[in-house]
Amino acid sequence: DGGITQSPKYLFRKEGQNVTLSCEQNLNHDAMYWYRQDPGQGLRLIYYSQIVNDFQKGDIAEGYSVSREKKESFPLTVTSAQKNPTAFYLCASSDWTGATNEKLFFGSGTQLSVL
Amino acid sequence: DAKTTQPTSMDCAEGRAANLPCNHSTISGNEYVYWYRQIHSQGPQYIIHGLKNNETNEMASLIITEDRKSSTLILPHATLRDTAVYYCIVRPIYNQGGKLIFGQGTELSVKP
Repeated sequence: DGGITQSPKYLFRKEGQNVTLSCEQNLNHDAMYWYRQDPGQGLRLIYYSQIVNDFQKGDIAEGYSVSREKKESFPLTVTSAQKNPTAFYLCASSDWTGATNEKLFFGSGTQLSVL
Repeated sequence: DAKTTQPTSMDCAEGRAANLPCNHSTISGNEYVYWYRQIHSQGPQYIIHGLKNNETNEMASLIITEDRKSSTLILPHATLRDTAVYYCIVRPIYNQGGKLIFGQGTELSVKP
């Protein structure tokens, strides 16, 4: 089945540690996105990529890094510079054309907690 | 992007229609109305979108007022699996960078 796979489902980070969240899609979508969701809140955009080897910062990029070496993969690294990393992280993709009628398809999320 | 206002929570009896309102009084002519829903601990799921005409698909109907300042998402026969947070979002026609602004949404509880 086509879709977006995020792993792991749950992740724990120690103080000062970098952790990487995986996101893979087999929808052949050009664009991929990372969002962060805090309890009871909406989604906030961290980074997005419209094409391989290119990505842009979203609203809350500080303390995060990404790469887009392959069309189907968009891993997110939560660095030690992110002081409040505990949140639900969602990856999404779309067949981006610049027009608003594209739909976002989301993965099932990764819950990151700090030990 | 235009801001949306939704009730915090709503209840609906199973089998009845669920009508979820959304106010977007500052919407401009080049902005679509989108609806997504999020079941607990899962990623959001696209439901429907529209510009100015009413829209219907296999999941729901979207009614947009003539002045476009508000809309209603209708789930015609709600089931327990429709219990979720429903987000109303306004996006410009040419959107840069997937910048969907998700507000707090409406928590819909479908009860037996």
